[in-house]
Amino acid sequence: GDSVTQMEGPVTLSEEAFLTINCTYTATGYPSLFWYVQYPGEGLQLLLKATKADDKGSNKGFEATYRKETTSFHLEKGSVQVSDSAVYFCARTGGSQGNLIFGKGTKLSVKP
Amino acid sequence: GAGVSQSPRYKVAKRGQDVALRCDPISGHVSLFWYQQALGQGPEFLTYFQNEAQLDKSGLPSDRFFAERPEGSVSTLKIQRTQQEDSAVYLCASSKRSTGVVDTGELFFGEGSRLTVL
Repeated sequence: GDSVTQMEGPVTLSEEAFLTINCTYTATGYPSLFWYVQYPGEGLQLLLKATKADDKGSNKGFEATYRKETTSFHLEKGSVQVSDSAVYFCARTGGSQGNLIFGKGTKLSVKP
Repeated sequence: GAGVSQSPRYKVAKRGQDVALRCDPISGHVSLFWYQQALGQGPEFLTYFQNEAQLDKSGLPSDRFFAERPEGSVSTLKIQRTQQEDSAVYLCASSKRSTGVVDTGELFFGEGSRLTVL
């Protein structure tokens, strides 16, 4: 069935380091792809999205490109901040009603 | 309201008790989803409503789980005869789009209800 696989955490980086969180998805249909973020004590919120191949989603310095040939949607940021510490979830649309299918999440901790 | 509101935020139940979890979506949002998030895992789909109609309940793990949205706004997830494996965070999300997130719609999540079954 449809699924999303993302790199396991936790990931610990120093401030201003480069971030990559890998995400791959099952190539069934033509899904939209998302990154959601969950800050401590808060609900999940959309970080960025891409709806078709080669689209690049971007927000708050984060980027991810929809790569159909590698079925990937890796999250990147050139210079992380302490405030980026959170759990990041990759997701794709799936199912008859277009509900979201999530990866297991990757916890990011950024140290000053 | 300003966002999706869920209550209670925390619930401790003894095994065998019934629990009810409430979700108040963003006003005017047509679609409503329930997800279950076990510790260290991503959210897993439980059920989906479009207005008051429950269009997909394929993710409900057993017949002990029941969800309703009688007036197309507030929704309640009920778990009967709770078991320890029901311990999880239950997330509610809403979307203004009538087709969920099939297109480019965004889901707005509540903070979740953390259920612990002893």
